[in-house]
Amino acid sequence: NAGVTQTPKFRVLKTGQSMTLLCAQDMNHEYMYWYRQDPGMGLRLIHYSVGEGTTAKGEVPDGYNVSRLKKQNFLLGLESAAPSQTSVYFCASSYSGFRRTGELFFGEGSRLTVL
Amino acid sequence: GENVEQHPSTLSVQEGDSAVIKCTYSDSASNYFPWYKQELGKRPQLIIDIRSNVGEKKDQRIAVTLNKTAKHFSLHITETQPEDSAVYFCAASKGDDKIIFGKGTRLHILP
Repeated sequence: NAGVTQTPKFRVLKTGQSMTLLCAQDMNHEYMYWYRQDPGMGLRLIHYSVGEGTTAKGEVPDGYNVSRLKKQNFLLGLESAAPSQTSVYFCASSYSGFRRTGELFFGEGSRLTVL
Repeated sequence: GENVEQHPSTLSVQEGDSAVIKCTYSDSASNYFPWYKQELGKRPQLIIDIRSNVGEKKDQRIAVTLNKTAKHFSLHITETQPEDSAVYFCAASKGDDKIIFGKGTRLHILP
C-alpha cells in the first residue's frame, strides 16, 4: 500500500515549457487535491476533484489545468511554465471529503523550478 | 471565500514548556478545523482535528480549542519535546470539499 505517489519528484523547466505532474493513490479515495507550497505562504489549493471525471478550482487555479480520468489518478498540467510557478507541489487525497473523515493524505511533494 | 489567519509565524519555546498557536477564520459556515504538522523535508500529516459541535479536544500532549463565536481556534502543545520542532498548519473547511490552510507556524524547541 503505497498511499499517495507523485511523479516526478524534481523537475527543472524553462519558461514557456509545458509539463504534467502525476498523482496516484491506491486507497480508493474519492477526493483528490493539488496544493502548492511557497515559503511564508502556507499550502494554497490549486484545483481539486470530488470524484472521477470531476474537477473544481481552488484558491490559485490560474496557469494550471487538471484532469481526473481515472479515480486513482489526478494530473496537474502547466501549459506554459512561468518563474512564478516555481514551488513545491503537493497532491493529497481523502476518503469522503470533509463531511465525515476529513483527513488529507499527502504525497511526498514535487519540487518544480522554472528558469 | 474562506480566509485563515495564523499567528505567530515563528515560535521558540524552551523544552518542557508549552506552545500555543492561534488561528482565525472568516467564514462562519466553516465547521471542520484540522491541524497538520510538517517536519523538515517531509509531507504534512494530520495531528488533530475538531468539528464545530465540540469546544475542545485532547490527544496526549496536544489539544485544540474552538471558539465559534469569535471564529478562532488554537493548538496547545504541553511539555514540549525536541521532536515537536516543525511547521504547524491550521486549516478550515465548511464541508464544500475545499480545505483552506493558514500560512504556518515554525516551532523551535530550544534545549
